[in-house]
Amino acid sequence: ETGVTQTPRHLVMGMTNKKSLKCEQHLGHNAMYWYKQSAKKPLELMFVYSLEERVENNSVPSRFSPECPNSSHLFLHLHTLQPEDSALYLCASSQRGDYGYTFGSGTRLTVV
Amino acid sequence: AQSVSQHNHHVILSEAASLELGCNYSYGGTVNLFWYVQYPGQHLQLLLKYFSGDPLVKGIKGFEAEFIKSKFSFNLRKPSVQWSDTAEYFCAAMSNTGKLIFGQGTTLQVKP
Repeated sequence: ETGVTQTPRHLVMGMTNKKSLKCEQHLGHNAMYWYKQSAKKPLELMFVYSLEERVENNSVPSRFSPECPNSSHLFLHLHTLQPEDSALYLCASSQRGDYGYTFGSGTRLTVV
Repeated sequence: AQSVSQHNHHVILSEAASLELGCNYSYGGTVNLFWYVQYPGQHLQLLLKYFSGDPLVKGIKGFEAEFIKSKFSFNLRKPSVQWSDTAEYFCAAMSNTGKLIFGQGTTLQVKP
C-alpha cells in the first residue's frame, strides 16, 4: 500500500454509462492529481488540485469531470466516454512545495 | 513547452548485463528530475531523484543516474541487472510550477 488508494481497480463501461473513479490519500498531502496512462504514450497530466481548488485542466474533454470535496479525496466522474478513453487512470498526491509524488495503483478502464 | 523524451522504448538484456536508459528533457530553467519504475501490476515507485548538488545520484536497488546539464540529459544506469528488474521505467521532470511531466517510458525485459 502506498497511502494512495484507488477504487475500483478495474472498470468496464459502455459508452452511454456514467461511472466515477475514486482516489483517497492517507498521507496528509494537500495536492492531488489525475494522470492518464495509455499504451506507448507518456503519462498525461489531466487535472491538478491544490488545497481542494482545481489549478490545472490540461485540455481534457468535458466527458471527464473531476471533483475534490476535501484534501483527502479526489473523484473522476465519467460520462459518454469513447473507446479511445480506455487506459489506466492514476491518482497521485503530494505536499505542495515538496517534490515527492505518491501514486496509487490505478484504475484500468475499458470502454466498450 | 516542457517535455521529456526517452530514446529506448523496449530494451532486452540478459542477467548481469549493464543497463543505461536515455532521458532528455527540454526546459531551460531550474528543473528537478526523477526516475520512476512500474513493476508488472504494481504502482509507480520512485527510484531516484535529482534536485541539486552532486550530479551523480544513487537510488534504490543499485540504480544511479547522472545529470548532465549541458546535454539536458538524466540517464539511468545499473552495472548488473537482475531478472527482477523487469519493469517499465519512466523519466520525469518537474518545473518550478510543480508539474511532473513524464517521458513515454521504457520497457525493460531481463532474460534469466
